[in-house]
Amino acid sequence: GESVGLHLPTLSVQEGDNSIINCAYSNSASDYFIWYKQESGKGPQFIIDIRSNMDKRQGQRVTVLLNKTVKHLSLQIAATQPGDSAVYFCAEISGGSNYKLTFGKGTLLTVNP
Amino acid sequence: AAGVIQSPRHLIKEKRETATLKCYPIPRHDTVYWYQQGPGQDPQFLISFYEKMQSDKGSIPDRFSAQQFSDYHSELNMSSLELGDSALYFCASSLGGELAGGEQFFGPGTRLTVL
Repeated sequence: GESVGLHLPTLSVQEGDNSIINCAYSNSASDYFIWYKQESGKGPQFIIDIRSNMDKRQGQRVTVLLNKTVKHLSLQIAATQPGDSAVYFCAEISGGSNYKLTFGKGTLLTVNP
Repeated sequence: AAGVIQSPRHLIKEKRETATLKCYPIPRHDTVYWYQQGPGQDPQFLISFYEKMQSDKGSIPDRFSAQQFSDYHSELNMSSLELGDSALYFCASSLGGELAGGEQFFGPGTRLTVL
């Protein structure tokens, strides 16, 4: 079936470095993508979203890039901080699905001081 | 700001018992989603409600049922519990009708352990 997945299960970076977390999706009809951050014992927290008619969107220290040609999504975190350590999920909203989220496999980001 | 409230936060049950999880959405949010997250897994969509009507159904077992009440809170009822039901259960709420359903705000989750 349709799925959203991640290339790397873990990522370890030094504090202050930039982080890039990747995600591949298979549903070409997806029209909305969201990145979530999940800290241990907590629910997913919205980070940034992007619609399929865009290829880049920037937030505070975060940038999401969408490449529809290869069905690839990435999250870039600038100047990574220890507080950024968490599991990051990409998720898609399938068109016409009443907005349910289909999550990909998470990537554990560890920021070393 | 008020967030999504889930209760209980932790629940321990025996096999074949029943459990009821509750979700109180953010005020004025009319859409509720339930997700199940197994250990080390990504959240899986179970079921959603919009204006007290079921709006979508995912991989929810027949042993589970849910509903949304007039005050928009939702309950997930789980019967004949199995060991494999042990997971984190998240509720999310959003304001329906917005583009792409609007941002879904997640609650802290209920950790269910079936022994």
